Amino acid sequence: SQQGEEDPQALSIQEGENATMNCSYKTSINNLQWYRQNSGRGLVHLILIRSNEREKHSGRLRVTLDTSKKSSSLLITASRAADTASYFCATEGGRGSTLGRLYFGRGTQLTVWP
Amino acid sequence: KAGVTQTPRYLIKTRGQQVTLSCSPISGHRSVSWYQQTPGQGLQFLFEYFSETQRNKGNFPGRFSGRQFSNSRSEMNVSTLELGDSALYLCASSLGLSQETQYFGPGTRLLVL
Repeated sequence: SQQGEEDPQALSIQEGENATMNCSYKTSINNLQWYRQNSGRGLVHLILIRSNEREKHSGRLRVTLDTSKKSSSLLITASRAADTASYFCATEGGRGSTLGRLYFGRGTQLTVWP
Repeated sequence: KAGVTQTPRYLIKTRGQQVTLSCSPISGHRSVSWYQQTPGQGLQFLFEYFSETQRNKGNFPGRFSGRQFSNSRSEMNVSTLELGDSALYLCASSLGLSQETQYFGPGTRLLVL
């Protein structure tokens, strides 16, 4: 399966701390994307990193991609209570896949305490 | 630009009934994908439409179908509803090219009794 796997399943931290979530996948990819979901609502796109990129930043977010290890990490710096949500990685493309189809992991539930 | 909209937001049906969900993509987007989210299975891909043609299909039974209109709006239909069809149904739109962000709507929460 191409589906990603996030680790940990749940993460609980205090405001101001950094949160790191990891994602592993099994096959080659074109890109990997991170999404956030608040309480069973729609997914909000956070960042897309292509297979030829190693690191991307967006505000307080930092994403790394290691295609040799088939893994990615999402770092949220200086967490806020509003960051409390589920975070999903999704992969697109690669051998055996089809254009436009995203393969999602099970997600990491992040709780940030005030 | 307005985001992806989905209607209705909530729906309660009984087993055996059928349901139609609607998705309006972001203006200019030609691709609409549908996903089912349940606590047990997570986010599962249903199908993707591009320029009124089904381009991709996930591993769901034939009870799940969809279509896309010339204005890129899409509908999905589930016939003969089962209890296990209770889920959050999400649609996402994009330009339909590779290496792109998919923008998700708020979802339709379907409860089958």
